[in-house]
Amino acid sequence: QQPVQSPQAVILREGEDAVINCSSSKALYSVHWYRQKHGEAPVFLMILLKGGEQKGHDKISASFNEKKQQSSLYLTASQLSYSGTYFCGTESNSGYALNFGKGTSLLVTP
Amino acid sequence: DGGITQSPKYLFRKEGQNVTLSCEQNLNHDAMYWYRQDPGQGLRLIYYSQIVNDFQKGDIAEGYSVSREKKESFPLTVTSAQKNPTAFYLCASSDGTPHQGYYEQYFGPGTRLTVT
Repeated sequence: QQPVQSPQAVILREGEDAVINCSSSKALYSVHWYRQKHGEAPVFLMILLKGGEQKGHDKISASFNEKKQQSSLYLTASQLSYSGTYFCGTESNSGYALNFGKGTSLLVTP
Repeated sequence: DGGITQSPKYLFRKEGQNVTLSCEQNLNHDAMYWYRQDPGQGLRLIYYSQIVNDFQKGDIAEGYSVSREKKESFPLTVTSAQKNPTAFYLCASSDGTPHQGYYEQYFGPGTRLTVT
């Protein structure tokens, strides 16, 4: 079942912060985050594991609240290179493939 | 250089024709996946394969078929039964499936299929 991402789109000025949310109606074992630039393949950012701690990747970090079946991606001091569409992929108890959300389009302007 | 290749990048077909999209990986990954991407719809799983000679339907398998005769290859055939085949198709692979552990997926560059 497809997780729900919010917001659908966000526009930031360089240096501003953003939060992208991902929620599922199913119990989750892990959440993956990917970023896709226009016309390119999605690129892996990080995995959040059940029972794991908040992960970080440069100025991009994420959290996973397994009780609420939600994950959030935090982009701080955004850079122009952060522009793209962010997808969360969730693993539920079937576990053989990820279910991806519809994506959040992020545009960082100078 | 290890990676995933998809060919061709752009493909045009007439309605009623079957078409096969190529996906090859040299990452020695066991698991491979096919996704369809439409504007505003995210990535929807068509088929996945955990191991050679085995594959499973995803959420939108109707009108598609796959084979997995070799570890490195996972071609997708879009048949004439697929009602709306025009889309961007992405192939991915991973060392294992989520059920086996926590593996990131590596994506190919995609094939944009247009059927008229």
